[in-house]
Amino acid sequence: EAGVTQFPSHSVIEKGQTVTLRCDPISGHDNLYWYRRVMGKEIKFLLHFVKESKQDESGMPNNRFLAERTGGTYSTLKVQPAELEDSGVYFCASSPPRQETQYFGPGTRLLVL
Amino acid sequence: AQSVAQPEDQVNVAEGNPLTVKCTYSVSGNPYLFWYVQYPNRGLQFLLKYITGDNLVKGSYGFEAEFNKSQTSFHLKKPSALVSDSALYFCAVRDRTNFNKFYFGSGTKLNVKP
Repeated sequence: EAGVTQFPSHSVIEKGQTVTLRCDPISGHDNLYWYRRVMGKEIKFLLHFVKESKQDESGMPNNRFLAERTGGTYSTLKVQPAELEDSGVYFCASSPPRQETQYFGPGTRLLVL
Repeated sequence: AQSVAQPEDQVNVAEGNPLTVKCTYSVSGNPYLFWYVQYPNRGLQFLLKYITGDNLVKGSYGFEAEFNKSQTSFHLKKPSALVSDSALYFCAVRDRTNFNKFYFGSGTKLNVKP
């Protein structure tokens, strides 16, 4: 069974540019989560999809961040325009319905210069 | 507010010695508790979890963790460390009343020296 995949693995952009991160969850996992780890600190929740619906987006930092999951399969997280403080590692995770464990992807390392 | 604390940024241990990576939490109710490990250039891998029942849970690669409700702790342990255990370890808590989110600690870097 393929795990959670994320693309790209690394991204280096300049302040003000736009970046789109993609996550492909494990097949059949309705739940999809985005997390972020900034500057070696704790990993923080950003938002949660159940299929194509946003269940909880309380962790989204501001309106420069837009997440979508059209069709309830893969998800994208767009940052527009990117700021220096957006640098960090963005993790995606998925889980099947009613299961406690979340399965994480390898992360996308974003550096905003 | 929900929070998870990993008080040690780094733990150093000699190969063959026992290891402990500490985690305490502050979450309302009875949470689900997890440990994940991140090897260099890899994603987070699930190690073990406590949901209910026996306070000592066993997980992958010989790791175990003990849930202590009175101390609100969930320390990760292994009787005999291996060099290959060197990695970044994250403790996480999932609120049973708000089951969506994980709250993570800041991570502890484990260094096992030969």
